Amino acid sequence: AQKVTQAQTEISVVEKEDVTLDCVYETRDTTYYLFWYKQPPSGELVFLIRRNSFDEQNEISGRYSWNFQKSTSSFNFTITASQVVDSAVYFCALTGGGNKLTFGTGTQLKVEL
Amino acid sequence: EAGVVQSPRYKIIEKKQPVAFWCNPISGHNTLYWYRQNLGQGPELLIRYENEEAVDDSQLPKDRFSAERLKGVDSTLKIQPAELGDSAVYLCASSLEFGRNPLYEQYFGPGTRLTVT
Repeated sequence: AQKVTQAQTEISVVEKEDVTLDCVYETRDTTYYLFWYKQPPSGELVFLIRRNSFDEQNEISGRYSWNFQKSTSSFNFTITASQVVDSAVYFCALTGGGNKLTFGTGTQLKVEL
Repeated sequence: EAGVVQSPRYKIIEKKQPVAFWCNPISGHNTLYWYRQNLGQGPELLIRYENEEAVDDSQLPKDRFSAERLKGVDSTLKIQPAELGDSAVYLCASSLEFGRNPLYEQYFGPGTRLTVT
């Protein structure tokens, strides 16, 4: 069975602070894919990144960066210089074979002025 | 490019009543998903279609839930009769995939928020 754990239920930061959202996963598949999605108050999940299990290179996209470590089964997401528009619920998700996405419970990020 | 369209956005019904949700995926996307998202939780897959075929409906409560995608494009999810525990957001997603290739990300619609009273 697959499982995704996002232990941080809610995080509050002040604008311009850096923030890291944690994601720990469990899977028996040797080939799997990890995702991060953003869900703003409007409700629509927005795809942020996909990473496969064979690619442990960290990735940076603007203010966003991701740290994938197979040794600790973690796929953490960092927002640098946070902005109010980053306020949303962020979901980490996992899929092995079969395209079935298993989501974590999400982390509510609040960025205040 | 238009995104995934869902309607209605909100629905309030009394228990034991039927309800239906509609989804139109992104043009050209052959795979369509229905998810249910309970408050404070991540989405959970109900059913996945590849074209008009339901290839994974193991999580769909078949006693009261049904879904169809007759022409392999838009889809309808129905609940009959609704129960109080069905209150949730129902999300539709689509992706461009073939077989079991998970390389293509899923694009989500805004969801339908169902309240059963």
